[in-house]
Amino acid sequence: AQTVTQSQPEMSVQEAETVTLSCTYDTSENNYYLFWYKQPPSRQMILVIRQEAYKQQNATENRFSVNFQKAAKSFSLKISDSQLGDTAMYFCAFMKHDMGAQKLVFGQGTRLTINP
Amino acid sequence: DGGITQSPKYLFRKEGQNVTLSCEQNLNHDAMYWYRQDPGQGLRLIYYSQIVNDFQKGDIAEGYSVSREKKESFPLTVTSAQKNPTAFYLCASNMVWTEGYTFGSGTRLTVV
Repeated sequence: AQTVTQSQPEMSVQEAETVTLSCTYDTSENNYYLFWYKQPPSRQMILVIRQEAYKQQNATENRFSVNFQKAAKSFSLKISDSQLGDTAMYFCAFMKHDMGAQKLVFGQGTRLTINP
Repeated sequence: DGGITQSPKYLFRKEGQNVTLSCEQNLNHDAMYWYRQDPGQGLRLIYYSQIVNDFQKGDIAEGYSVSREKKESFPLTVTSAQKNPTAFYLCASNMVWTEGYTFGSGTRLTVV
């Protein structure tokens, strides 16, 4: 069974600093997708970034980038120049095919606080 | 604007009652999903549906039921058999697996 592990339940940094959130996953599949979702206090789930497993190049979206290490099954999220609005729960997720369906499997989340 | 609408935002249930959470999407997505979120835990899959009139159990389906009579709608019923229903419930949909999910804004269910 696929699992996703986020080893940092909580993190806190000062505004403008860079922060890295860790995520590891376990799968025997070769083709899959990985995602980071953000859940601010409003509790709306927002897609931050996605990574295709067959692409070696790390995905980047403005201040957000990932470090994808396929052999190590690691998928960390780096937030540069952090802003107060980045305060949220962050979930790492793995998309798998199962019986023809596409299911997202989530980690337990990391609560990130950006301090002024 | 296209999106997913969940209602109500807050719901209170008495012991022994069934309640139904609504999820409607106008994105023309084929697949829809229900997740449960508890404090300190990630999202866990309850049920999913890939096409109209078909749905499958997820990891924690006991005490829940769903229907998919229309492509746009995927309501979730929390039955009295669900022993610990207090949680935040999220509905999602997608068309292509490479794009991840689009989520609704959630329903907070509390047993009183």
